[in-house]
Amino acid sequence: QVQLQESGPGLVKPSETLSLTCTVSGDSISNYYWSWSRQPPGKGLEWIGYIHSSGSTNYNPSLKSRVTMSVDTSKNQFSLKLSFVTAADTAVYYCARRDTIGYYCYWGQGILVTVSS
Amino acid sequence: DIQLTQSPSFLSASVGDRVTITCRASQGISSYLAWYQQTPGKAPKLLIYAASTLQSGVPSRFSGSGSGTEFTLTISSLQPEDFATYYCQQLNSYPLTFGGGTEVEIK
Repeated sequence: QVQLQESGPGLVKPSETLSLTCTVSGDSISNYYWSWSRQPPGKGLEWIGYIHSSGSTNYNPSLKSRVTMSVDTSKNQFSLKLSFVTAADTAVYYCARRDTIGYYCYWGQGILVTVSS
Repeated sequence: DIQLTQSPSFLSASVGDRVTITCRASQGISSYLAWYQQTPGKAPKLLIYAASTLQSGVPSRFSGSGSGTEFTLTISSLQPEDFATYYCQQLNSYPLTFGGGTEVEIK
């Protein structure tokens, strides 16, 4: 059973960098696409981007200038960094795996990150 | 970016009702559409992919249809555990986008 678990600080100061890690268990991180999405409190979902286990990435243009994703196959983890955060970046952040069918079947439980001084 | 417009945004229904939610795309996306169910405090759960394929383990009362720009999610007989928010997502082109959601409430 594939499981994903987000981790990282729940509070980040404005203008600083949000850093999250998604740890994958139950399967290898290799040969899959891994994504990040987010959901502001009470609002809808926004796709942030994906990283393949090979390291190739695709980011949402709306966030591209501030997003960096990386993967560590030795730890079965992948990460998200979002720089120069503002209150508008306050959201629950989800990691997910794109399955062989091409759709996102496995999601982490989500982690709430609040941007506030 | 491809915009997805869901309707209605809010729906009040009773147990046993047949419920239909619509998702319209701003341009054609073939059948590259997924439907998710989300309950409060939980991650989205994949219900339907490729517009009409039921994800493993999802009850058969859920069904999806459509292609191109218009899609529907139907729940044939609403059950208590189905009261949730439903989202569509297009995977035809990047950036991936979601619809605004449809909240299904108990009448």
